[in-house]
Amino acid sequence: EVQLVESGGGLIQPGGSLRLSCAASGFTVTSKYMTWVRQAPGKGLEWVSIIENNGAAHYADSVRGRFTISRDTSKNTLYLQMNSLRAEDTALYYCASGQGFLTPLWGQGTRVTVSS
Amino acid sequence: DIVMTQSPDSLAVSLGERATINCKSSQRVLYRPYNVEHLAWYQQKPGQRPKLLIYWASTRESGVPDRFSASGSGTNFTLTISSLQAEDVAVYYCQQYYTVPLTFGGGTMVEIK
Repeated sequence: EVQLVESGGGLIQPGGSLRLSCAASGFTVTSKYMTWVRQAPGKGLEWVSIIENNGAAHYADSVRGRFTISRDTSKNTLYLQMNSLRAEDTALYYCASGQGFLTPLWGQGTRVTVSS
Repeated sequence: DIVMTQSPDSLAVSLGERATINCKSSQRVLYRPYNVEHLAWYQQKPGQRPKLLIYWASTRESGVPDRFSASGSGTNFTLTISSLQAEDVAVYYCQQYYTVPLTFGGGTMVEIK
């Protein structure tokens, strides 16, 4: 079955770090563009980052320099390393994938709460 | 950055009636070599992940009921639900996937009147 399963969310203090994972099945993470999108409580969708199938990475201005997207082919998993976390990073983080920038496949999300 | 502006913010429609959502992009999202608009529509039901409904501005994703249709070009796009069903209660988002940063509209909540 083709699916994405996120994990790694939790409660973290401001300034802390967290690594989110997104395990893919039914396809290889290097064959698709892999994306992170977040949704703050009660708010809309916000694009965070994307890694192209050639490895090129792009980031939203709000996270550039703090977040790093990467993938592990041996584990067929996408990651989002989040450093210097802020209260405004609190959100449900979705992993998504597709051909190019379009994202037809989404995971169920993992929740990140940044609070002291 | 391309700004996506949706209207209205919310919409209450009677069962069986038409619902229309508008989306305006601050720049064109046309990929000229293929003459396709890089505009997608997503549906997000309460407590669920977003679901792709429409891509290339007017192509329905596999399995999406044909009461959902979309159109538009240039900077103005529309999603129409021809006959609203109870299961269509959701927030609908437009998104441009022409260039990074990928950007979403603010969402339109569709409810039953």
